[in-house]
Amino acid sequence: GNSVTQMEGPVTLSEEAFLTINCTYTATGYPSLFWYVQYPGEGLQLLLKATKADDKGSNKGFEATYRKETTSFHLEKGSVQVSDSAVYFCALSDRGGGADGLTFGKGTHLIIQP
Amino acid sequence: NAGVTQTPKFQVLKTGQSMTLQCAQDMNHEYMSWYRQDPGMGLRLIHYSVGAGITDQGEVPNGYNVSRSTTEDFPLRLLSAAPSQTSVYFCASSPREGSNTEAFFGQGTRLTVV
Repeated sequence: GNSVTQMEGPVTLSEEAFLTINCTYTATGYPSLFWYVQYPGEGLQLLLKATKADDKGSNKGFEATYRKETTSFHLEKGSVQVSDSAVYFCALSDRGGGADGLTFGKGTHLIIQP
Repeated sequence: NAGVTQTPKFQVLKTGQSMTLQCAQDMNHEYMSWYRQDPGMGLRLIHYSVGAGITDQGEVPNGYNVSRSTTEDFPLRLLSAAPSQTSVYFCASSPREGSNTEAFFGQGTRLTVV
């Protein structure tokens, strides 16, 4: 079956530091890959996605590249802000990314200190 | 701009009680689903629906019932609550699957079973 493995936190960084959150996956076929973010007290919202190998998703200064050869989709940001503090979930879907078929990692709690 | 609305936001139940978690979306999405979020487990799919009158089981369906009589609503029923069902529940919706689809999540219902 499908599965997603991501580094577990909490990850604590200082403001303006470089961020990497690792994510690897196991899937049959060629899934779409996603990063979702959950701010305190809120539901999940899509941060970025990539639907095929070598695609780069980007949004709000975050980016991730779909690496089929290493089955990875690592999240990066060059300079984090306090407002980036949240829980980040890597996810995959072999059904296009709809509400019916997302497989999530366990989530990474990111804490940015001023 | 309602999106996906879940009620209630918080609920405490006694073991053996029944209740229904409500979910409504105003985006005319065909797909709807319920996930539960537990510490260290990420989100896991309980049940999903690809249209009115059609439901199917996800990864962790035991102890939960669903029905989809309208496009807008997708209630989740706990017939006899157990402490193992203490969790945060998220409802999600999306358009019909496709390469550019995206899941939209509600703000969650925090359920405690004592």
